[in-house]
Amino acid sequence: SQQGEEDPQALSIQEGENATMNCSYKTSINNLQWYRQNSGRGLVHLILIRSNEREKHSGRLRVTLDTSKKSSSLLITASRAADTASYFCAMPYGQNFVFGPGTRLSVLP
Amino acid sequence: GAGVSQSPSNKVTEKGKDVELRCDPISGHTALYWYRQSLGQGLEFLIYFQGNSAPDKSGLPSDRFSAERTGGSVSTLTIQRTQQEDSAVYLCASSLVQGAGTEAFFGQGTRLTVV
Repeated sequence: SQQGEEDPQALSIQEGENATMNCSYKTSINNLQWYRQNSGRGLVHLILIRSNEREKHSGRLRVTLDTSKKSSSLLITASRAADTASYFCAMPYGQNFVFGPGTRLSVLP
Repeated sequence: GAGVSQSPSNKVTEKGKDVELRCDPISGHTALYWYRQSLGQGLEFLIYFQGNSAPDKSGLPSDRFSAERTGGSVSTLTIQRTQQEDSAVYLCASSLVQGAGTEAFFGQGTRLTVV
């Protein structure tokens, strides 16, 4: 199975702090995506990183990919209460993609 | 429409009844995916469509589940003889082209409760 593992399962921080979530996977991939889910409903795409990229930025988000360790991390800097959500990594599986179990982030005001 | 639309947003049904869940993908998106998410869990892949065909049905949990897509657009997921363990949020996503390297756009899901 290609399903990824995310850690931590849950993370609680104060507003203004940075949040780091990690994703590990089992087989080689050519890209990895991160998604956010608010209130158990639709997912919103955050960022896609390809295997030939080590780091990618989007606003307050920074994603790294280490293909030798088969892991990726998502860093949210200067967190806000509105960042409270579940965050999922998604990776290729055949012509489809599969999601990890997610990290539930709580940002306390 | 501007985004992926799913209907109904909530459905409560009695055990043993059949239900139909609908997904309207973004216009022009050739790939369409169905996932299921139980409370507090990750996403479980069910099926995907490339155009009207479903090359991979391996995720359907039982023969009570079926899905179709017509005209390369709207898709329906049908659950026959619903069971309580079918209670979950059913999420649909579409992408411009089929392939794991493309961004998927998700609908808001249908929350199914079987009582």
